[in-house]
Amino acid sequence: QVQLVQSGAEVKKPGASVKVSCKASGYTFTSYYMHWVRQAPGQGLEWMGIINPSGGSTSYAQKFQGRVTMTRDTSTSTVYMELSSLRSEDTAVYYCARERYYYDSSTPGYWGQGTLVTVSS
Amino acid sequence: DIQMTQSPSSLSASVGDRVTITCQASQDISNYLNWYQQKPGKAPKLLIYDASNLETGVPSRFSGSGSGTDFTFTISSLQPEDIATYYCQQYDNLPRTFGQGTKVEIK
Repeated sequence: QVQLVQSGAEVKKPGASVKVSCKASGYTFTSYYMHWVRQAPGQGLEWMGIINPSGGSTSYAQKFQGRVTMTRDTSTSTVYMELSSLRSEDTAVYYCARERYYYDSSTPGYWGQGTLVTVSS
Repeated sequence: DIQMTQSPSSLSASVGDRVTITCQASQDISNYLNWYQQKPGKAPKLLIYDASNLETGVPSRFSGSGSGTDFTFTISSLQPEDIATYYCQQYDNLPRTFGQGTKVEIK
């Protein structure tokens, strides 16, 4: 079965960077895109971007362009999301979510457990 | 970006009631719409894809309809375990965007 296991909670200072990992298992890693979605405390869901684990190509929401980098390591079936120049508004739970469809980018179908990133001085 | 507007933002209903949530897109998105359920402290769960198709294992009391700009999500008979926040999400264009959510509570 599809499993996505994310790294643990992080506390960062404003201006720092954070790198969240998402280790996948139970399927062919390179055949399904991975989305990143975040949720600030008490707020809704916000789509950040997507990575194709096969070739490493990415697409980011304009809001995060220049601050977010999504990468993957096919040898360990792990995707990473790095967010730089952190500010207090980046405090949120960050989710990875595997695409539901083969080689598609439409539907976050299987979700990780989430990683809380707290930005505080 | 395509804006997704859900209404209401919250509702309270009795067990057994029919519950309806609407989602409006800022432009035509055909049927490129998903619905998710999120329980407190948990990750979202996909319930409906392509506007009206029930994900495997999801109870049949959940349904979706609509196309173009106007969509509806319905719970035919509200159960205590349905207490959650529900989100619509479009996939016609990048970036994918979500509605702001509808919190469903028991009266």
